[in-house]
Amino acid sequence: EDQVTQSPEALRLQEGESSSLNCSYTVSGLRGLFWYRQDPGKGPEFLFTLYSAGEEKEKERLKATLTKKESFLHITAPKPEDSATYLCAVQASGGSYIPTFGRGTSLIVHP
Amino acid sequence: NAGVTQTPKFRVLKTGQSMTLLCAQDMNHEYMYWYRQDPGMGLRLIHYSVGEGTTAKGEVPDGYNVSRLKKQNFLLGLESAAPSQTSVYFCASRASGNSETQYFGPGTRLLVL
Repeated sequence: EDQVTQSPEALRLQEGESSSLNCSYTVSGLRGLFWYRQDPGKGPEFLFTLYSAGEEKEKERLKATLTKKESFLHITAPKPEDSATYLCAVQASGGSYIPTFGRGTSLIVHP
Repeated sequence: NAGVTQTPKFRVLKTGQSMTLLCAQDMNHEYMYWYRQDPGMGLRLIHYSVGEGTTAKGEVPDGYNVSRLKKQNFLLGLESAAPSQTSVYFCASRASGNSETQYFGPGTRLLVL
């Protein structure tokens, strides 16, 4: 059974204080790992897809990395507008249509 | 491009009432999904569809039915609502093939009294 565990559940940072969110996964053959951002009262918004170990992607202050067992979402010099819940999901290979989501990390960045 | 839209945005039901949630996408996506999101539980898949006229059960299908009569629409029905179905419902769609990115709607907040 595919599993995704995100840590920490909640994270409070001061503006400018860099940190990382973790997504550990167990999947029978990884087709892709996805990061989403979800603002309160809204649907998840796609950020990144990573396909193989060693891959990295960046967008503004966010950088996602992938190993064979986990992914990190690094947030450099965060701003209050980066406050959101960040969701991780994995898609297994072998014809599955269903991604497995983690429960998310709630990030609050204080000014 | 409106992307994925959901109707209604918010609804209050009494126990035993029925309703239908509508999801529409204008991206010509083959796959569509219905999730519910509850505090501390994350996103849980209710039903999904891999094409017009096809549907399949997800993780938590009991108490729900779905239909995909048109490629752009995916309907979620509650035949007899229960308080346990109070939740936020999200629809998502994605293209077939190697592109696995799901695009989510804004959600429907349902309260069952």
